[in-house]
Amino acid sequence: GAVVSQHPSWVICKSGTSVKIECRSLDFQATTMFWYRQFPKQSLMLMATSNEGSKATYEQGVEKDKFLINHASLTLSTLTVTSAHPEDSSFYICSAPISSGPSYNEQFFGPGTRLTVL
Amino acid sequence: SQQGEEDPQALSIQEGENATMNCSYKTSINNLQWYRQNSGRGLVHLILIRSNEREKHSGRLRVTLDTSKKSSSLLITASRAADTASYFCARETSGSRLTFGEGTQLTVNP
Repeated sequence: GAVVSQHPSWVICKSGTSVKIECRSLDFQATTMFWYRQFPKQSLMLMATSNEGSKATYEQGVEKDKFLINHASLTLSTLTVTSAHPEDSSFYICSAPISSGPSYNEQFFGPGTRLTVL
Repeated sequence: SQQGEEDPQALSIQEGENATMNCSYKTSINNLQWYRQNSGRGLVHLILIRSNEREKHSGRLRVTLDTSKKSSSLLITASRAADTASYFCARETSGSRLTFGEGTQLTVNP
């Protein structure tokens, strides 16, 4: 099956610093990727849709200036949490859908990045 | 809530028993997907059922979809301790966007 990786798998940083999280589709091309956030014991909340070659689309209530998304290539999307604060501590997960073939529309999720802001 | 609703929130059963989790939603869907998540880990795709399908099987998993009632169920038969995890339904709407339900925490006791 298709594989999506994320890096780093966990990060601890001081309040006020910026953190970049990478999401890569390893064996398929993804013109679209999605970024989710999951707080402990809660469900996944879609933050934004990352589009290769164009601006990301953010969900209502998500600050685009705080969560910068860059979809630089067909296999890489990055999420930068700018000036992170403790309330940004969460589990960030990306996904990429398959756009053709037998697994059409199936989404593959990265393993997640746990961000802890001190 | 725009998210789907799942019930039960938590389910505890003995090994060998069947586990049924339900998911309801409010708006139309392209398809509905079920995922599994072990604690602190990423999601594993289980089954995708399209809006024109009523039932799908995969191993010990059976998913049904009733679009008239806007509901879906996931049945795990002959459960094992290794099935202990959180299970989420996610409805796909436009542009492959997924909206996740609240999830069911399944505990299978050995």
